[in-house]
Amino acid sequence: QSALTQPASVSGSPGQWITISCTGTSSDIGGYDYVSWLQQRPGEAPKVMIYDVNSRPSGVSNRFSGSKSGNTASLTISGLLAEDEADYHCISYTPSGTWVFGGGTKLTVL
Amino acid sequence: QLQLQESGPGLVKSSETLSLTCTVSGDSISSTSHYWGWIRQPPGKGLEWIGCVYYTGDAYYNPSLKSRVTISVDTSKNQFSLKVSSVTATDTAVYFCARRVGRSSWFDYWGQGILVTVSS
Repeated sequence: QSALTQPASVSGSPGQWITISCTGTSSDIGGYDYVSWLQQRPGEAPKVMIYDVNSRPSGVSNRFSGSKSGNTASLTISGLLAEDEADYHCISYTPSGTWVFGGGTKLTVL
Repeated sequence: QLQLQESGPGLVKSSETLSLTCTVSGDSISSTSHYWGWIRQPPGKGLEWIGCVYYTGDAYYNPSLKSRVTISVDTSKNQFSLKVSSVTATDTAVYFCARRVGRSSWFDYWGQGILVTVSS
């Protein structure tokens, strides 16, 4: 069970949009529509922004969206705000009831 | 409002067993719709899924930790627990408990996390 692959860092200017990728295999991301994206600010617990590939919990801005193609899931944030600066983690279901995280991506808003 | 709260020693000696408890308030841990899990984060690193438990006691573990980890549930106390045996410095991390909605990837409620340091 290897960790999913995310870029270590991404950056963007206020108002722009960015995409963070999360690459796995046919045994995790490619095999199930159970992928979540979590936002984590320093010293805080993670917060789910997207679940089940492209569903958004109540209260999460519609500037956050998710998608999946093959073995890669993506998180897109449009209209970047300074408050979006945080670490973003993906997680996917894997066989036998287990889950695997990506390594995390640090988003910097320039 | 559902709340999860981790508790346990913040310092554990190398080779001993790390034991943490997550107390759930505002909902019953006997819910048939949810799973209760543990996730950890070493200082400055990413998140690692440790495992989860259903109210029946059925548990699922990260294959890389399975030989050292036990997760159990106590419905009478509305708590679930984590034990990690034979700890080393690499087990030093912030440990989070969280609830997941069944048949989805929605980890909707999290505890604040507790830092556990393994000392030699």
